[in-house]
Amino acid sequence: AQSVTQLDSQVPVFEEAPVELRCNYSSSVSVYLFWYVQYPNQGLQLLLKYLSGSTLVKGINGFEAEFNKSQTSFHLRKPSVHISDTAEYFCAVSEVGGTGRRALTFGSGTRLQVQP
Amino acid sequence: DARVTQTPRHKVTEMGQEVTMRCQPILGHNTVFWYRQTMMQGLELLAYFRNRAPLDDSGMPKDRFSAEMPDATLATLKIQPSEPRDSAVYFCASGLVLGRGTDTQYFGPGTRLTVL
Repeated sequence: AQSVTQLDSQVPVFEEAPVELRCNYSSSVSVYLFWYVQYPNQGLQLLLKYLSGSTLVKGINGFEAEFNKSQTSFHLRKPSVHISDTAEYFCAVSEVGGTGRRALTFGSGTRLQVQP
Repeated sequence: DARVTQTPRHKVTEMGQEVTMRCQPILGHNTVFWYRQTMMQGLELLAYFRNRAPLDDSGMPKDRFSAEMPDATLATLKIQPSEPRDSAVYFCASGLVLGRGTDTQYFGPGTRLTVL
């Protein structure tokens, strides 16, 4: 079984400032890692994913995340945020392997509030 | 622009009534997932299908919930009888999984269910 922890439920930040949203996971098997964004009253949209290879992953809207296996972390970063980045961000994992559980296990979400 | 569609977008019903939610996955995708989002529990998996066969419905209350895929273009989630605690946003997602690989799950806009 896996679990995902997003320690920060809310992160307020000023426009054009950098931001980091933290994600730690626990799993007895190898996992794929994902970050999704949810704008108000909408579904989830994929920001980026780590499947294998380079541990630094770049996604849409200027976001990037770094996979750290030793610390079991997958923190999301953006060097300069915009008002339009205000949304809920979810970290998620799924199992690797032929019979792996493909369903996503989500963290509790982090609300990013960008202030002018 | 292929996307997952869900109907209805909003549903208000009274306790004890039957509720049916529908999902049309992206054409060609072979996995379909049902997730539920609540303030208390966050995003949690209810059921998922691969090639129309149910693989995991352990997150679903069996006595009142049922999920089916009558064909490759339609997935349904039914609640009978509905209860106020079922009030939530229900998301359908689809993806293409081949062998040991994984793929992005694409989420629909959700069905917001309110049970009075």
